[in-house]
Amino acid sequence: KAGVTQTPRYLIKTRGQQVTLSCSPISGHRSVSWYQQTPGQGLQFLFEYFSETQRNKGNFPGRFSGRQFSNSRSEMNVSTLELGDSALYLCASSLDGGANYGYTFGSGTRLTVV
Amino acid sequence: GQQVMQIPQYQHVQEGEDFTTYCNSSTTLSNIQWYKQRPGGHPVFLIQLVKSGEVKKQKRLTFQFGEAKKNSSLHITATQTTDVGTYFCAGTGYKYIFGTGTRLKVLA
Repeated sequence: KAGVTQTPRYLIKTRGQQVTLSCSPISGHRSVSWYQQTPGQGLQFLFEYFSETQRNKGNFPGRFSGRQFSNSRSEMNVSTLELGDSALYLCASSLDGGANYGYTFGSGTRLTVV
Repeated sequence: GQQVMQIPQYQHVQEGEDFTTYCNSSTTLSNIQWYKQRPGGHPVFLIQLVKSGEVKKQKRLTFQFGEAKKNSSLHITATQTTDVGTYFCAGTGYKYIFGTGTRLKVLA
């Protein structure tokens, strides 16, 4: 079966712009989580959506937002980009929010802000 | 808040040596899961442990869940260059949370 698909794979944006990243979860997975990973850093949790509702949110500024559609596809938006937003953004999907089956990650979107 | 710390943060070993990473949670976990992220890749689910004191093996990898369900370990016997990467634990306390990760480098 198809895995988690993230688009685009690479993105270069200018400081001050906004960006939208897309994630298509595995079919049947209703939970989608987003993580930010900077070089040598761990996984910084952004937010989790389950059946179109945001269930959890990490400690990121309001410039980071997301949503989930009825088909479980999710988008993440970052407004007013800053240089420090350069990172790998990972989307992960799960049947049950990770509790019993863990998460399947996509290959990520590598965002560079110049 | 709930925290999951892993030690060490980094580990360099000679090929053939053993390696262990420890995962410690500030709260009791209902389960613990382990992931591996190869350099340039994304985390991949390895295994889940649910029972207190549970031990599971995958070839050279041994995973253990503590009796109090607040800690876990991953031990790799006779490391190989293919073991290079970052190992994350993750668990469900009052929310699902990833550990800080241990980056393993294997020197040939």
